[in-house]
Amino acid sequence: NAGVTQTPKFQVLKTGQSMTLQCAQDMNHNSMYWYRQDPGMGLRLIYYSASEGTTDKGEVPNGYNVSRLNKREFSLRLESAAPSQTSVYFCASSEQGTRQPQHFGDGTRLSIL
Amino acid sequence: GDSVTQMEGPVTLSEEAFLTINCTYTATGYPSLFWYVQYPGEGLQLLLKATKADDKGSNKGFEATYRKETTSFHLEKGSVQVSDSAVYFCALSDSGGSNYKLTFGKGTLLTVNP
Repeated sequence: NAGVTQTPKFQVLKTGQSMTLQCAQDMNHNSMYWYRQDPGMGLRLIYYSASEGTTDKGEVPNGYNVSRLNKREFSLRLESAAPSQTSVYFCASSEQGTRQPQHFGDGTRLSIL
Repeated sequence: GDSVTQMEGPVTLSEEAFLTINCTYTATGYPSLFWYVQYPGEGLQLLLKATKADDKGSNKGFEATYRKETTSFHLEKGSVQVSDSAVYFCALSDSGGSNYKLTFGKGTLLTVNP
């Protein structure tokens, strides 16, 4: 059972470089999410996609873009990486509805020098 | 806006001790409440949930009761094991509109010593 798969697991970038974090889920979920986790801050929502074809900003969207490529895949792009974007990034998916739990990937550890 | 406050750690216990991690929330609607657990190097896993007042969520010996009158959802376990060492997150999902986002507490690191 793969669940939510994130690639890559680790990445080091230089300031100003761009990259795309990939996420795919095999649970036929409608909703997908991107979070960042920083020490002492819990998880903060960057963007989410309530259903295929829609995306919306979360709490901390600045510096990021997303693409809901299809029902399975939801990518996060950093156009010009900054040291403040050093973090652990988690993708999650869920059935629609606020009572549904979210299922998380194992994360991408991103360092920006 | 919605918010979740959970007790700050780290919490260090001996094996077989009783565990309580406090969690209180603020929400405008009727939220669903969740506890997630994160083991080192892994993503978050759902531990338990409760979707309405007085519901008790339970899993793997952990329990939490949705208390609307005190806006709380405290996590408890009667006898912890070394394998319970992890970070625990309390979270809520508000019932309003189509916004499905989870609001998380900052997490509580639990270390259980043999």
